[in-house]
Amino acid sequence: LAKTTQPISMDSYEGQEVNITCSHNNIATNDYITWYQQFPSQGPRFIIQGYKTKVTNEVASLFIPADRKSSTLSLPRVSLSDTAVYYCLVGSSGSARQLTFGSGTQLTVLP
Amino acid sequence: DTGVSQDPRHKITKRGQNVTFRCDPISEHNRLYWYRQTLGQGPEFLTYFQNEAQLEKSRLLSDRFSAERPKGSFSTLEIQRTEQGDSAMYLCASSLLGVTNEQFFGPGTRLTVL
Repeated sequence: LAKTTQPISMDSYEGQEVNITCSHNNIATNDYITWYQQFPSQGPRFIIQGYKTKVTNEVASLFIPADRKSSTLSLPRVSLSDTAVYYCLVGSSGSARQLTFGSGTQLTVLP
Repeated sequence: DTGVSQDPRHKITKRGQNVTFRCDPISEHNRLYWYRQTLGQGPEFLTYFQNEAQLEKSRLLSDRFSAERPKGSFSTLEIQRTEQGDSAMYLCASSLLGVTNEQFFGPGTRLTVL
């Protein structure tokens, strides 16, 4: 079971690019890396998923180095509405138990 | 609205009472999950269904907890003889078999046990 480590909190200002790094030293060969976002009193929302190199969608980019022992979620030009908790998860689709949420990173975007 | 729905959104009960929560997943999703989340923590996995079969259960799921998914559609989570420690947000999520790790979460049911 791959454990993840990410910063407890980060602050940023509107319009800046934010990078949140997650460590997962014990990632398995068939594990994917997935990031979720959660606002207060709501369920988490899928942001992005990747296996290696770089993945980009309309809201974020995910950078994964060759050894896959870490990953970085990049949020371009954040706004106040991006204030949320961001979770890094590592696991395969074969076992739901392996989708383990840690405590996440509380991102606060300041005006 | 074609997302995951949960009912009720809030439940206040007295210790020792039984409560039941319902989750309606996205209609074509064959996987359904239950999680529990307490303040300041990430969601903790409780159990998981593939169609109507309950395939995995966490050790967190004591014998006071039971979940069902009859006919592979909606699911219910029942907590018997509630305790104050059961107070939490109960989240339901669904996904498609074969799609890796993208789970769609409902808004949750917040349980308060007095």
